[in-house]
Amino acid sequence: KAGVTQTPRYLIKTRGQQVTLSCSPISGHRSVSWYQQTPGQGLQFLFEYFSETQRNKGNFPGRFSGRQFSNSRSEMNVSTLELGDSALYLCASSTGTGSYEQYFGPGTRLTVT
Amino acid sequence: AQSVAQPEDQVKVAEGNPLTVKCTYSVSGNPYLFWYVQYPNRGLQFLLKYITGDNLVKGSYGFEAEFNKSQTSFHLKKPSALVSDSALYFCAVRDERYSSASKIIFGSGTRLSIRP
Repeated sequence: KAGVTQTPRYLIKTRGQQVTLSCSPISGHRSVSWYQQTPGQGLQFLFEYFSETQRNKGNFPGRFSGRQFSNSRSEMNVSTLELGDSALYLCASSTGTGSYEQYFGPGTRLTVT
Repeated sequence: AQSVAQPEDQVKVAEGNPLTVKCTYSVSGNPYLFWYVQYPNRGLQFLLKYITGDNLVKGSYGFEAEFNKSQTSFHLKKPSALVSDSALYFCAVRDERYSSASKIIFGSGTRLSIRP
């Protein structure tokens, strides 16, 4: 099976802009979770989508949003970018049921200048 | 509320020696426990998980982890460290009581350094 893919891998944006990141999960997986990873804050949970519905949400401002399509692909959007949004954004795919483990993509490195 | 702690930011071990990376957790119900590894500029890779049954769980790359319910711990171990094991290791927990709807909580990570 192909692994989790994320596009783009690298992105440079300026403050105030918006950005959309994409994640394609492993075939057959219905759950996609998003995480923000920074050196200071570690790995922080953003949200999880399961069958096109947001099932869980972390403690991030409303500028961070997401959605999931019928083919389980997911997008994450960040509006009005701030310098502090610079991070590695990781997407994780799983079956979403039972004792599921997550499989991570390589991440999108976002730099806000 | 569920939580997970990795008390050591960094662990340094000589190649060939045994290694242990510590993890403790807190959940209301029974825990699902996981270990992940992250190499530089990569996403996290699943190593192993504990769901139920035998307290010693074996995973990828020769790693194993021991579940201890009384101490609420799930330490990662390897009998003989390799330089290639140098990476960032994350422990994670999910509360079984809330089934698939509960989110996975990750620890802060432990950087493992193996010296030749």
